[in-house]
Amino acid sequence: KAGVTQTPRYLIKTRGQQVTLSCSPISGHRSVSWYQQTPGQGLQFLFEYFSETQRNKGNFPGRFSGRQFSNSRSEMNVSTLELGDSALYLCASSLLSDSGQDGYTFGSGTRLTVV
Amino acid sequence: EDKVVQSPLSLVVHEGDTVTLNCSYEVTNFRSLLWYKQEKKAPTFLFMLTSSGIEKKSGRLSSILDKKELFSILNITATQTGDSAIYLCAGNYGGSQGNLIFGKGTKLSVKP
Repeated sequence: KAGVTQTPRYLIKTRGQQVTLSCSPISGHRSVSWYQQTPGQGLQFLFEYFSETQRNKGNFPGRFSGRQFSNSRSEMNVSTLELGDSALYLCASSLLSDSGQDGYTFGSGTRLTVV
Repeated sequence: EDKVVQSPLSLVVHEGDTVTLNCSYEVTNFRSLLWYKQEKKAPTFLFMLTSSGIEKKSGRLSSILDKKELFSILNITATQTGDSAIYLCAGNYGGSQGNLIFGKGTKLSVKP
């Protein structure tokens, strides 16, 4: 079966711009989470969506937002980009919000560079 | 403040060695502890641990959780160069499985 698909793979943006990243979960998975990975901070939780509703949100400013569509695909948006937003953005999906023993399946991520 | 701390941060071993990676956690409303292997981009799931003292095994990898002392270990026996990766430990907290707090990872390098 197809894995978690994230697009685009790479992005270069300038400060002040906005960006939208996309994540298509594994077919049938309803829970999608987003993470930011940087060398200094490691993997940090951004938010989780389940059945089009945001269930949880990490400690990120309001410039970071997301949404989930009825087909479980999710997008995240970052407005007014800052240099510090340069990171690998990872999306992960799971069958249920309280799934069993298989953990979350991660996509390959979107590498965002802000110049 | 919730946190997950992994040690060591990096480790260099030779093929055939056995390694133990450590993960300690302080996570409110702890649900489970997860281990991932990250080689290039996508972390790949290894184990989810919810109960103390029950070892989970997958080939040469095994892991166990101690909920009293708040730590977990990941063992890799007979290491191979393909085991070279960053190993991530994450605590699942709060109301849903989406909430994962990750440690900084252990970078394992296995030399031939």
